[in-house]
Amino acid sequence: SQKIEQNSEALNIQEGKTATLTCNYTNYSPAYLQWYRQDPGRGPVFLLLIRENEKEKRKERLKVTFDTTLKQSLFHITASQPADSATYLCALDRAGGSYIPTFGRGTSLIVHP
Amino acid sequence: EAQVTQNPRYLITVTGKKLTVTCSQNMNHEYMSWYRQDPGLGLRQIYYSMNVEVTDKGDVPEGYKVSRKEKRNFPLILESPSPNQTSLYFCASSINTGGAYEQYFGPGTRLTVT
Repeated sequence: SQKIEQNSEALNIQEGKTATLTCNYTNYSPAYLQWYRQDPGRGPVFLLLIRENEKEKRKERLKVTFDTTLKQSLFHITASQPADSATYLCALDRAGGSYIPTFGRGTSLIVHP
Repeated sequence: EAQVTQNPRYLITVTGKKLTVTCSQNMNHEYMSWYRQDPGLGLRQIYYSMNVEVTDKGDVPEGYKVSRKEKRNFPLILESPSPNQTSLYFCASSINTGGAYEQYFGPGTRLTVT
């Protein structure tokens, strides 16, 4: 069955560095992939969407890559700030245009001042 | 302000006592859905609706009901809550952007069933 893997261990980095989070998936070829940010006890917030025919997408300090051969997406935050500390979720659509997205469990990012 | 609202935000109830969690969006989105989030399990979709009077099961629909009589509202109904439905619930509405759905989540409802 379709599976999404995100690193369950928290990523700790120093302020100003680039944070890189990974989303791997198996048994599927999604049409698009999304990244969300979630703060404790709050709803996820949509950040970026990248389609299967796009290699890279940028938005301000955020960059997402999508490698359909490796079945992997990388999410980068450049010049990271303590305010970027949160859990980041990736989500994939499902085959046949179904409106049932699959979410990864998320990776916690902690940016130290 | 564009938003998804949920009520109540916190609820403690007892096994078997029917409850409804309301969800409303003011963005005129056609698509709405309910999720539950549990530690170690991530976000799992309960039900979704592609339009008024059109609903369908997600991954974990057992024990839940929904209705979509108006475009803006999508209530989640637990007819006979059980302790295993203790969870953090999120409602979301979505806009279709070229076949992809950007989801806008509500603030969450923390439900405890004793």
